[in-house]
Amino acid sequence: TQLLEQSPQFLSIQEGENLTVYCNSSSVFSSLQWYRQEPGEGPVLLVTVVTGGEVKKLKRLTFQFGDARKDSSLHITAAQPGDTGLYLCAGPYNQGGKLIFGQGTELSVKP
Amino acid sequence: NAGVTQTPKFQVLKTGQSMTLQCAQDMNHEYMSWYRQDPGMGLRLIHYSVGAGITDQGEVPNGYNVSRSTTEDFPLRLLSAAPSQTSVYFCASSLTGFDSPLHFGNGTRLTVT
Repeated sequence: TQLLEQSPQFLSIQEGENLTVYCNSSSVFSSLQWYRQEPGEGPVLLVTVVTGGEVKKLKRLTFQFGDARKDSSLHITAAQPGDTGLYLCAGPYNQGGKLIFGQGTELSVKP
Repeated sequence: NAGVTQTPKFQVLKTGQSMTLQCAQDMNHEYMSWYRQDPGMGLRLIHYSVGAGITDQGEVPNGYNVSRSTTEDFPLRLLSAAPSQTSVYFCASSLTGFDSPLHFGNGTRLTVT
């Protein structure tokens, strides 16, 4: 059972379309992180959201942390082929250093 | 600035063989961790360390050992490889712990036949 559930698992869209990726849990998290991973490489941090209701923008990417701190979303406006990759959400579980990940959303943006 | 370095990049083992995956970081990070990545399952935490001499288990520790004798190095040992351990392994480090950004290596692709 995944503590962090991401949806959808796969997304294939055309360049210029908008999309939203969701990261949901039944547990409360003190913060959530979003990473992007390209083939053959390790994940790279995009953003950390900490406060319930927080919205952060990174160019065409908008990240939101739910008011109850149980969910987060990533919205991409006018997707480009360079956005193609695996998007992962992650959060600290219990105390003591366990950062757990969702199963990821594989995004393909076709020109 | 090398960041997190993992070796080897690829490895093929036979069932029952042992090996060590190496991980080194040059950022003076206290926190280091090992994850395995399998299709459709994201990254699953194997073991982690909050500083030299301190290690703890993650979500899927069985079949793996770790030690942390220095701040820089965090090797992962497979004592008796099994086909279920076929995966891509990532080492990561962060400055203070799970609440600071993780820096990942580029992974080791392991196949156990």
